[in-house]
Amino acid sequence: NAGVTQTPKFQVLKTGQSMTLQCAQDMNHNSMYWYRQDPGMGLRLIYYSASEGTTDKGEVPNGYNVSRLNKREFSLRLESAAPSQTSVYFCASSRQGQNEKLFFGSGTQLSVL
Amino acid sequence: QQQVKQSPQSLIVQKGGISIINCAYENTAFDYFPWYQQFPGKGPALLIAIRPDVSEKKEGRFTISFNKSAKQFSLHIMDSQPGDSATYFCAVRSGTYKYIFGTGTRLKVLA
Repeated sequence: NAGVTQTPKFQVLKTGQSMTLQCAQDMNHNSMYWYRQDPGMGLRLIYYSASEGTTDKGEVPNGYNVSRLNKREFSLRLESAAPSQTSVYFCASSRQGQNEKLFFGSGTQLSVL
Repeated sequence: QQQVKQSPQSLIVQKGGISIINCAYENTAFDYFPWYQQFPGKGPALLIAIRPDVSEKKEGRFTISFNKSAKQFSLHIMDSQPGDSATYFCAVRSGTYKYIFGTGTRLKVLA
């Protein structure tokens, strides 16, 4: 009964370093999403994948890349981290055709120094 | 541009009181209006949601009121409890896959 699993939970990077945030869901959902959460700004969509093999930009895609590795996994990559990318990152998934409910992971807290 | 405006930013309510959080949107094409609840250190979880063809939806102590003409919807928490202390986000659905979230309301219910 894992739901949406994100790794790592915490990460500290230096400016310019790269890293990949991993996300996996075991609910056989077609759609997956990456959000960032910043104080006073709510949740903002970075990228989403409507189904396996497709990805699309959200509200704030600059500085990020994504890969929908298979139906279960959707990763978010920071190629050259910047302090402005310090945030809490959430992965979410939903069933295609019934996209009403988003299931969120527990988040990754990222600090870029 | 901020497509969903949520207020207040924070709210303190006595136990047993009513908590009210408001959201206003701009685009009439939005077709689904959920509220998410988030506890510290956790991801948001769906609390209750409404479609624009109804004006109110109630689930237990939680009620959504929806005013299509005013482009506003609100969350009412009746008989608020300390366990309701959390951050609440309204959201709107834009197209099939995109959800736009409000900026959040931090609710504290005093025992």
